[in-house]
Amino acid sequence: AQSVTQPDIHITVSEGASLELRCNYSYGATPYLFWYVQSPGQGLQLLLKYFSGDTLVQGIKGFEAEFKRSQSSFNLRKPSVHWSDAAEYFCAVGPAGGYQKVTFGTGTKLQVIP
Amino acid sequence: NAGVTQTPKFQVLKTGQSMTLQCAQDMNHNSMYWYRQDPGMGLRLIYYSASEGTTDKGEVPNGYNVSRLNKREFSLRLESAAPSQTSVYFCASSEEGGGRYEQYFGPGTRLTVT
Repeated sequence: AQSVTQPDIHITVSEGASLELRCNYSYGATPYLFWYVQSPGQGLQLLLKYFSGDTLVQGIKGFEAEFKRSQSSFNLRKPSVHWSDAAEYFCAVGPAGGYQKVTFGTGTKLQVIP
Repeated sequence: NAGVTQTPKFQVLKTGQSMTLQCAQDMNHNSMYWYRQDPGMGLRLIYYSASEGTTDKGEVPNGYNVSRLNKREFSLRLESAAPSQTSVYFCASSEEGGGRYEQYFGPGTRLTVT
């Protein structure tokens, strides 16, 4: 069965600092991989997704993620964090074929300090 | 386009009461989903509907029922609410099912069962 692990429950970074949020997945083949962001009191919004091609994926709001097959990882990065990036971030994995469900990680809450 | 809308935004129920959460999407999507979000648990799929006229159980279906009224609307019913159903409920939709397509989320319903 597919699964997603986000090992960091909570991360605090200073505004302007770089950010990396970790995501590890388990799946037999190459899956679809997603990062979603949830601002307080809101639903989830897609930041970026990966299936094939270039392993470095660019998303909205200046985020990028790198797919590393050998490490089963899909870490989210941003070079310089803004206070408005404070939110909860969810990694998700979806199977490439057939109708199966997307599995979400438990989320990483990002706090940005001035 | 309103995207995915949910009503109500907040609800307080007493144990044993029933209620229906409403969800509608205006993106002509085939697939719709109901999730619950609990602290430290991420999003867990309750039910999904791959297309109009079909529904299937997700990870945590006990205590819930759903109806895919038409292509636009997908409702979630709690027949006899329990305190364990206190949660934030999200409806989502996607163009098709499976792992390939981005899911679009509503703003959520915060439900408290006392």
